[in-house]
Amino acid sequence: DTEVTQTPKHLVMGMTNKKSLKCEQHMGHRAMYWYKQKAKKPPELMFVYSYEKLSINESVPSRFSPECPNSSLLNLHLHALQPEDSALYLCASSRDTAGANTEAFFGQGTRLTVV
Amino acid sequence: EDKVVQSPLSLVVHEGDTVTLNCSYEVTNFRSLLWYKQEKKAPTFLFMLTSSGIEKKSGRLSSILDKKELSSILNITATQTGDSAIYLCAVGGGSNYKLTFGKGTLLTVNP
Repeated sequence: DTEVTQTPKHLVMGMTNKKSLKCEQHMGHRAMYWYKQKAKKPPELMFVYSYEKLSINESVPSRFSPECPNSSLLNLHLHALQPEDSALYLCASSRDTAGANTEAFFGQGTRLTVV
Repeated sequence: EDKVVQSPLSLVVHEGDTVTLNCSYEVTNFRSLLWYKQEKKAPTFLFMLTSSGIEKKSGRLSSILDKKELSSILNITATQTGDSAIYLCAVGGGSNYKLTFGKGTLLTVNP
């Protein structure tokens, strides 16, 4: 099973709303990631969790707040977003941090639209 | 700063053609190079190449890593319309051991 599950698949939110994106994997992976992908661009790394601790924050604005409740779950809490934050948000996981000779598997993503 | 460059950025071929996609990188502490195929949503993992595994093959797809030239190629033989997608190259390594993606190659296979 190489499945990473993300919910919801689509989300439309207003600039004053608070919402959360969820990601789940049951492969025993200890590294989990959030990426943001705009149309016709490659995925851009936002956050890396390694063994449930935040190890990389790529200078992401505080309106994005990650949370890793346990080794299988990763959340991304959204608050006071801007229209330019509209994008495909991808979650990924790997056995360990991606540089350490392990492949990263991606979820299907959440298509977020901020209005 | 870590860099991954893919070429060409787009390519249009006919079914049955063979294509070669290129990826070059400048990454400190290189650990691995990964190829992904992206259609409508999530990138789908194809291959991972490392110092101990510089050549991979699966069906019509194959990939080689050239550590001396800091590059990799992805070959697709006997292309089919279902091969139409964006092919992403990502390199694992860097100062914080993360994946750095190239911009991708958009492959269109016409019938």
